[in-house]
Amino acid sequence: TQLLEQSPQFLSIQEGENLTVYCNSSSVFSSLQWYRQEPGEGPVLLVTVVTGGEVKKLKRLTFQFGDARKDSSLHITAAQPGDTGLYLCAGALVKTSYDKVIFGPGTSLSVIP
Amino acid sequence: DTAVSQTPKYLVTQMGNDKSIKCEQNLGHDTMYWYKQDSKKFLKIMFSYNNKELIINETVPNRFSPKSPDKAHLNLHINSLELGDSAVYFCASSQASSTTLHFGNGTRLTVT
Repeated sequence: TQLLEQSPQFLSIQEGENLTVYCNSSSVFSSLQWYRQEPGEGPVLLVTVVTGGEVKKLKRLTFQFGDARKDSSLHITAAQPGDTGLYLCAGALVKTSYDKVIFGPGTSLSVIP
Repeated sequence: DTAVSQTPKYLVTQMGNDKSIKCEQNLGHDTMYWYKQDSKKFLKIMFSYNNKELIINETVPNRFSPKSPDKAHLNLHINSLELGDSAVYFCASSQASSTTLHFGNGTRLTVT
C-alpha cells in the first residue's frame, strides 16, 4: 500500500499546453516536496511547501499544498520540451526524533515540440 | 565538485555474489540514506543514518548491510544477490533539521 498517490502516471502533451499533476494521501505531512528526475540522474528538489494552503511559484511552475496538508498539486503553464522528466512528490512523516521522507510513484511527463 | 557521489554507476553481477556500493557526500550533512528505485520508478527508502547511527531500517532483507564509517560516507553491502535485487540504488544526504534530500546519480545494479 502506497502512502502517496500521484496522477496521472503518464502525461504526453504538446509544447505550450498547460498541465496539472496531483499528489494525494490519507496521511498528514509536516512538509511536502516536489522533485524532478531526468534519465540517468538522481531526483533534484524543485520546491518544499510547509504550511497548509501554501502556494509557491517557480517561474512557470505553481505548487500548492492542501489545507489539511494531505495533498498537493503542481501546475505547469506553457510547457516546454525542457520540462520533460519524472516528477516525484515526497512527503515528510514526522517520527519521534526525525522526519521520514516517502515518495509517490511519480508522473512521467513528455513535452513534444 | 560533486555533492553526493556513488560508485560504481553500473554493476552487473551473477546471482549469489556479494557486492558493495559506495557513497560519499561533501556537503557537510549529518544524515545519509539509501533508496531503491524499481523498474516502475518507485523510490523506496531502505536505510537512514544520522551521525553514523542507524535511524531508519525499512524491513530490508538482512542480506543488505549498510555501513557508515563516518558522517560523509554510507556504503551498502549486499550478500547473496538475487534477481529481484536488480534496481537503481540511490544514495542521498540531508541536514537533520531539513527534509531536503540531495541525491547521487544512482547505481544501476543488474543481477543475472
